[in-house]
Amino acid sequence: DIQMTQSPSTLSASVGDRVTITCRASQTIGSWLAWYQQKPGKAPKLLIHKASVLESGVPSRFSGSGSGTEFTLTISSLQPDDFGTYYCQQYHTPPITFGQGTRLEIK
Amino acid sequence: QVQLVQSGGEMREPGASLKVSCKASGYTLTDYTIIWVRQAPGQGLEWMAWINPYNGNTDYARNFQGRVTVTTDTSSNTAYMEFRSLRYDDTAVYYCAKDRLGASDAFDIWGQGTMVTVSS
Repeated sequence: DIQMTQSPSTLSASVGDRVTITCRASQTIGSWLAWYQQKPGKAPKLLIHKASVLESGVPSRFSGSGSGTEFTLTISSLQPDDFGTYYCQQYHTPPITFGQGTRLEIK
Repeated sequence: QVQLVQSGGEMREPGASLKVSCKASGYTLTDYTIIWVRQAPGQGLEWMAWINPYNGNTDYARNFQGRVTVTTDTSSNTAYMEFRSLRYDDTAVYYCAKDRLGASDAFDIWGQGTMVTVSS
């Protein structure tokens, strides 16, 4: 199975900060990577698919980049509503696998 | 509006079985693959299984093979996940989700989750 490793595990940042979360795959997955945001008690929400394509309705401050084994999710200017846990997920090779999550806290 | 609505929370004793439903509305179930994902308390997301409602093809994660069966009822536009021989560590929230494009893509619509508690 492809292992997905996110860093950092926890992140604390202030409103207005630029935030970057990294996701590394244990083998190449092309651009077959998605990012999700999950808030406490809620289902995950798709933010980005195919590594860099913003899902409809997602604010443009979110962006994704990378290919192969290394990927990043960037929030250009952190907003109070951006707290939660972020997960990457590969869908290149079954079984699909998720990163362990990055918890983002607003200072 | 496209949505997936799951059945309510359940409590079972160890060794019991349960069946969680996931009703699709706003689209035809057979057009998109459905996956099931588990999230134990305070933990991350774990893929369990997927089903192609069009042809009934399924695949299961190794951890769940033999204990989980996923099915669909196209007449009611509903997917089901049956879980047998429940253990204490199966206590979790279970989600269904719809593939964005049909198959082999990201998951754009998620159910609200079903909390399953295994306790004696």
